Amino acid sequence: QSALTQPPSASGSPGQSVTISCTGTSSDVGGYDYVSWYQQHPGKAPKFMIFEVTKRPSGVPDRFSGSKSGNTASLTVSGLQAEDEADYYCTSYADSNTILFGGGTKLTVL
Amino acid sequence: QLQLQESGPGLVKPSETLSLTCIVSGGSMNTRGYSWGWIRQPPGKGLEWIGTASYSGSAYYNPSLKGRVTISVDTSKTQFSLNLSSVTAADTAVYYCVRQGPSRYFGYWGQGTLVTVPS
Repeated sequence: QSALTQPPSASGSPGQSVTISCTGTSSDVGGYDYVSWYQQHPGKAPKFMIFEVTKRPSGVPDRFSGSKSGNTASLTVSGLQAEDEADYYCTSYADSNTILFGGGTKLTVL
Repeated sequence: QLQLQESGPGLVKPSETLSLTCIVSGGSMNTRGYSWGWIRQPPGKGLEWIGTASYSGSAYYNPSLKGRVTISVDTSKTQFSLNLSSVTAADTAVYYCVRQGPSRYFGYWGQGTLVTVPS
């Protein structure tokens, strides 16, 4: 099983929206609605942002939203703020009770 | 508020077994649908799922670790552990313990602990 595919980098200006993709296969992203997203600032543990493709845990701003189409999931950050600059990782449940991570995307707020 | 804290040696010799423990506080380890796992991150690289185990004894591991990994849960001590055998320099990473939710998300994370295997 290969890791999920994310773009290495993304960027946007304050107030703008940016979307990060996460591409897998029908055996993982496309086959299950068990995609989640994590935000990681340098030197910190990841923070849980999205689960079950579209759901936000309590405390996560509604500027963060998730979606999925076919084998590709996406995280959209609207109204970009300086504090959103971080690395973002997607995960998906996959066949045979495994979990795959994406390679990570570094989001830069210009 | 659930809290997780990793503990264990920061340096492990090549070919030996890496052993880490995660102490859980502020919540039950026996909640149905929730499991306990480990994730690692080599310096400057991305996250990798190592494996997950439930309080009932079932466990699932990353196939890439080729049978080197064991995760066990001890609810009486409110802790769970990771054993990774035959380590090499490639196993050098920050190791995070996590609680996994019913839909396989990682809702709670420890702060992480760096384990170095010299080459």
